[in-house]
Amino acid sequence: NAGVTQTPKFQVLKTGQSMTLQCAQDMNHNSMYWYRQDPGMGLRLIYYSASEGTTDKGEVPNGYNVSRLNKREFSLRLESAAPSQTSVYFCASGEPQHFGDGTRLSIL
Amino acid sequence: RKEVEQDPGPFNVPEGATVAFNCTYSNSASQSFFWYRQDCRKEPKLLMSVYSSGNEDGRFTAQLNRASQYISLLIRDSKLSDSATYLCVVYEYSSASKIIFGSGTRLSIRP
Repeated sequence: NAGVTQTPKFQVLKTGQSMTLQCAQDMNHNSMYWYRQDPGMGLRLIYYSASEGTTDKGEVPNGYNVSRLNKREFSLRLESAAPSQTSVYFCASGEPQHFGDGTRLSIL
Repeated sequence: RKEVEQDPGPFNVPEGATVAFNCTYSNSASQSFFWYRQDCRKEPKLLMSVYSSGNEDGRFTAQLNRASQYISLLIRDSKLSDSATYLCVVYEYSSASKIIFGSGTRLSIRP
């Protein structure tokens, strides 16, 4: 009964490196979301996908790209990581949303 | 004015106390409402939906006041394990669905 699975759980990058955060859900949800949460702050929506084949910008999309690979998977890519992107990243699916347990990303 | 506002707290109450907090929303077209809890360094987890008639789940009661545009969460007989941040979530369904998270209210239960 996995729900929403995120990989990796932790990652340290150097400024300028790229990486892709993976998210998969097994609940047959149409909608999927990517959020970031900075220390002591609320969730901010980066991108979302209302259904397979569609993606839309959220509140803070700059510096990120997404791919809705299929109904199950929604990935988030940082093309050129910056220290300001140090955060905890949560993937969610469905309405109401079910969250993965997050990816803690540090950029040096 | 923020779309969804919560008192950040912290609320610091003794075990066994009753505590309540509100969340106000600005868009009268908002249609669905939820409470989530988030433990430190963990993901948000759905606590309960909020229905117009009010609803209860054990020690937790959620209410919606559409006229005044707020939702509330009441916790009775609080436990140490209730210590967490409580997030209210508002869904707006119009030309495009919009989901808005409040910044959360921190609750700390002391022995």
